[in-house]
Amino acid sequence: AQSVAQPEDQVNVAEGNPLTVKCTYSVSGNPYLFWYVQYPNRGLQFLLKYITGDNLVKGSYGFEAEFNKSQTSFHLKKPSALVSDSALYFCAVRDRIGGTYKYIFGTGTRLKVLA
Amino acid sequence: DGGITQSPKYLFRKEGQNVTLSCEQNLNHDAMYWYRQDPGQGLRLIYYSQIVNDFQKGDIAEGYSVSREKKESFPLTVTSAQKNPTAFYLCASSIGVGAASTDTQYFGPGTRLTVL
Repeated sequence: AQSVAQPEDQVNVAEGNPLTVKCTYSVSGNPYLFWYVQYPNRGLQFLLKYITGDNLVKGSYGFEAEFNKSQTSFHLKKPSALVSDSALYFCAVRDRIGGTYKYIFGTGTRLKVLA
Repeated sequence: DGGITQSPKYLFRKEGQNVTLSCEQNLNHDAMYWYRQDPGQGLRLIYYSQIVNDFQKGDIAEGYSVSREKKESFPLTVTSAQKNPTAFYLCASSIGVGAASTDTQYFGPGTRLTVL
């Protein structure tokens, strides 16, 4: 079955340190992978996506993600965390289910950046 | 939140009432979606529409209904049959859902529905 897993409910990191938010997936065929960020009581904002090509994808606000096909992972990273990065992060995959395409979301990881 | 608007931002419903959540987009997108968000459960798909006058049930469609009479509008009705409707509802749109599309979903700001 198609699925996306975010194994950590919360990640704490000190400001200025690198951060990683983990995501693994299980889909048939080639995955189209996405990361979104959500601030309290707001909609999701698109950060970046992997379709094909370079395994390292660069996105908004200094975020990047590394696609690893052998480990079926798509971890979100940032070299130096900011307090303003504190938010809820969702990994998603677009997959073909039946005759249509759907987006499957992980359960989210809350990132807390400590000053 | 781009060119997608949702209204109202907060909505209160009494038991037994139907309520309708509005979603409008000016992005000229063909596909639109409704998700429900509950704490610790991520986003769950309620309904989606790939084109005007057509829509499909998602994973949790029971107790909900939609219409897609115009390309830019995809209202969601939460009926009295939905037993636990208190949640945050998110509308999204994307260019299309064709095989060649690798497009991104863009989300509205959400509506928080509370049952009194």
